[in-house]
Amino acid sequence: GIQVEQSPPDLILQEGANSTLRCNFSDSVNNLQWFHQNPWGQLINLFYIPSGTKQNGRLSATTVATERYSLLYISSSQTTDSGVYFCAVVANYGGSQGNLIFGKGTKLSVKP
Amino acid sequence: KAGVTQTPRYLIKTRGQQVTLSCSPISGHRSVSWYQQTPGQGLQFLFEYFSETQRNKGNFPGRFSGRQFSNSRSEMNVSTLELGDSALYLCASTRGGTGELFFGEGSRLTVL
Repeated sequence: GIQVEQSPPDLILQEGANSTLRCNFSDSVNNLQWFHQNPWGQLINLFYIPSGTKQNGRLSATTVATERYSLLYISSSQTTDSGVYFCAVVANYGGSQGNLIFGKGTKLSVKP
Repeated sequence: KAGVTQTPRYLIKTRGQQVTLSCSPISGHRSVSWYQQTPGQGLQFLFEYFSETQRNKGNFPGRFSGRQFSNSRSEMNVSTLELGDSALYLCASTRGGTGELFFGEGSRLTVL
């Protein structure tokens, strides 16, 4: 089945710094989402971005489907950005709409 | 618009018991998916339901089952609980047309 790899696995930043999180996937996809998991476990939607570029405040994301990767940019990081960021995809072949395949996540710690 | 609602939020069971978890999707969403999150295995797809029919199933034993009702609410059941079933169980509903998933806050199960 499709493989999803996220890098780096861990990231420590000083407040105010910028960062780029990467997600590589091994096959073509028809859905790609980025989530932030809060300390209580809930997955918060950041972006639905199977292709193209989107921005939402300090966060932006780009997916290059033909090259099978997506990037999540966090600018001017804040301590509240801390947590685990997940990339998840639905494979074009063999997947159904609700069958997301998750990467292992990037654990971000932002220090004051 | 209310989000995805999961109940109960926390529960403790002993080995051999069974458990039923409930999920109410966002109004108008007809697809519901379930995921298990553990520290060792990460986020794994359990099953997906659409219009009361199971559309897809992950690689879990038959002790894990689910169903969906005519109002799109879903339940999952785990029978003969094992210690390894301790996990965060997340439910998601899918926005029709786009395929974007929205997650509930999860049900945290501890098996003693």
